[in-house]
Amino acid sequence: GQNIDQPTEMTATEGAIVQINCTYQTSGFNGLFWYQQHAGEAPTFLSYNVLDGLEEKGRFSSFLSRSKGYSYLLLKELQMKDSASYLCAGYSGAGSYQLTFGKGTKLSVIP
Amino acid sequence: DVKVTQSSRYLVKRTGEKVFLECVQDMDHENMFWYRQDPGLGLRLIYFSYDVKMKEKGDIPEGYSVSREKKERFSLILESASTNQTSMYLCASSLQAGGPWNEQFFGPGTRLTVL
Repeated sequence: GQNIDQPTEMTATEGAIVQINCTYQTSGFNGLFWYQQHAGEAPTFLSYNVLDGLEEKGRFSSFLSRSKGYSYLLLKELQMKDSASYLCAGYSGAGSYQLTFGKGTKLSVIP
Repeated sequence: DVKVTQSSRYLVKRTGEKVFLECVQDMDHENMFWYRQDPGLGLRLIYFSYDVKMKEKGDIPEGYSVSREKKERFSLILESASTNQTSMYLCASSLQAGGPWNEQFFGPGTRLTVL
């Protein structure tokens, strides 16, 4: 299975840009997901990367480097409502149905 | 609109009781999953199912069983609840493995407390 690693907590200021990193082992790689989870709520899908490069979706972008086993989620123009946990997840192997989640990064946005 | 529902938001049970957690999805998805989420440990997969009557163990299946008699419904069973099964339980579904359209959609979660 995958081994997903991401920072436990981060703090950033409203209006700023923050980058949340995620590293994973490259064997059996088949795409990487980012989910957002507000406290007490279910995770919701943000992005999926399977090819190298940056994918932009409004204020959120996700980057992948398959050779380095590295991804990041970039949040621009931070808003207070972006305070949440951000979960990185990858398939456990080629053709696998099983996602392995990182422990999540709790982002606190301060005024 | 995509919908995954779970039978209870909050549940309190006693040690030794048999507990059923129900999950229903209305998206005609093949795959369904049960996770538990604990502080500091993240989301961990208990069981999943890729078809009716099919099931596969996840990372932490001990103490749990599952049932999938119909495509839309996936049940998690705690045969004899113990205090270390106090947790948030999340159900998810996805269309099939692989590809960006196969994100997992999560239900609202059931917070189970075992006394």
